[in-house]
Amino acid sequence: DAGVIQSPRHEVTEMGQEVTLRCKPISGHDYLFWYRQTMMRGLELLIYFNNNVPIDDSGMPEDRFSAKMPNASFSTLKIQPSEPRDSAVYFCASSLSSRGAEGYTFGSGTRLTVV
Amino acid sequence: GQSLEQPSEVTAVEGAIVQINCTYQTSGFYGLSWYQQHDGGAPTFLSYNGLDGLEETGRFSSFLSRSDSYGYLLLQELQMKDSASYFCAVPMDSNYQLIWGAGTKLIIKP
Repeated sequence: DAGVIQSPRHEVTEMGQEVTLRCKPISGHDYLFWYRQTMMRGLELLIYFNNNVPIDDSGMPEDRFSAKMPNASFSTLKIQPSEPRDSAVYFCASSLSSRGAEGYTFGSGTRLTVV
Repeated sequence: GQSLEQPSEVTAVEGAIVQINCTYQTSGFYGLSWYQQHDGGAPTFLSYNGLDGLEETGRFSSFLSRSDSYGYLLLQELQMKDSASYFCAVPMDSNYQLIWGAGTKLIIKP
């Protein structure tokens, strides 16, 4: 398996623009997580899915953020409109279980810069 | 509430042994995990402890004491490539998804 695949690796956009981040989880993993990482706040869970169904989106900062998982092999995280404070590294991860006994597998991340 | 504490930074010498501690506070307990993250990279899974004791994987070992709400990651024969941040994580009580410590930056000197 190629692991968790995220795109793009880097994104620079202007404030107010829409940004879409993409993720392909590992086949057979029932859980998919979107995280955001910054120096100030560390690793924050934004939302997670179980079998394509959103389970907990309490970490989504505000209505500007939305996430979808239309099928088991694809998920998107959208920010509209983007703001400079959204600048961070966004990780997608997948796992067999939410407790993580087998480990979460993270994608390489998307480094988002909003100017 | 639930929380994890780990040192922000640890410094060690190449070839030595270093221990990174993690204390947690949870209502229930569902396991303690460790992850490594190099600068500019993604977190990678190192180990999981569900029961008390030591789990060994090559140069890395992880220990858990549930009675003390404490665990540690032990790195032996340190190499420069081990310079990274190390995170402990435990599942939340409510929905079992992981909460993360703030990370320990391991600095290795030659």
